[in-house]
Amino acid sequence: DTGVSQDPRHKITKRGQNVTFRCDPISEHNRLYWYRQTLGQGPEFLTYFQNEAQLEKSRLLSDRFSAERPKGSFSTLEIQRTEQGDSAMYLCASSLDGRDYEQYFGPGTRLTVT
Amino acid sequence: RKEVEQDPGPFNVPEGATVAFNCTYSNSASQSFFWYRQDCRKEPKLLMSVYSSGNEDGRFTAQLNRASQYISLLIRDSKLSDSATYLCAVKSQGGKLIFGQGTELSVKP
Repeated sequence: DTGVSQDPRHKITKRGQNVTFRCDPISEHNRLYWYRQTLGQGPEFLTYFQNEAQLEKSRLLSDRFSAERPKGSFSTLEIQRTEQGDSAMYLCASSLDGRDYEQYFGPGTRLTVT
Repeated sequence: RKEVEQDPGPFNVPEGATVAFNCTYSNSASQSFFWYRQDCRKEPKLLMSVYSSGNEDGRFTAQLNRASQYISLLIRDSKLSDSATYLCAVKSQGGKLIFGQGTELSVKP
């Protein structure tokens, strides 16, 4: 399978715990995006990387959130001290660099904070 | 006002019907536009890009109206398998996508 993959697919955690998600983009894609989606809403942008450089972060991304893409390949998204409001689907997408290149999404990680 | 707005529906239509969705965007500098399809509890999948001249892919037609800042998606001869949520997306400067909240379509036999 050469699509975007994410791990884990589901995560249940208790409030206050830290969680980390991984995204492996399509191999030749140099752009990687993280989005968050809650029920009944479209995905909301969190942050993106071009190669290993994090070029933009949304105001939605509080200090408890951090993302890395150390070698310009896979990326991790960490949430520290999780809150119930963090419960959502976390989606990763990748694309080639350029205005008209489409983004392809991974299956997402569904986070439930109890 | 949200940057990208869609009628959330749901749209309930019989098989064979033609259904149209509209999506408005607020940033007149937006350059690229897309329609994604999302099945329940799945990831969004790209349905089609939207070009200035309009484009068609089988039963699906997408159009862009820059003057009025909206994009549309027309589905002809709808099938049961078309039931899903349809998301419009506008590519912002820097490449991030701004999504509407999605329009739910339910096609009934």
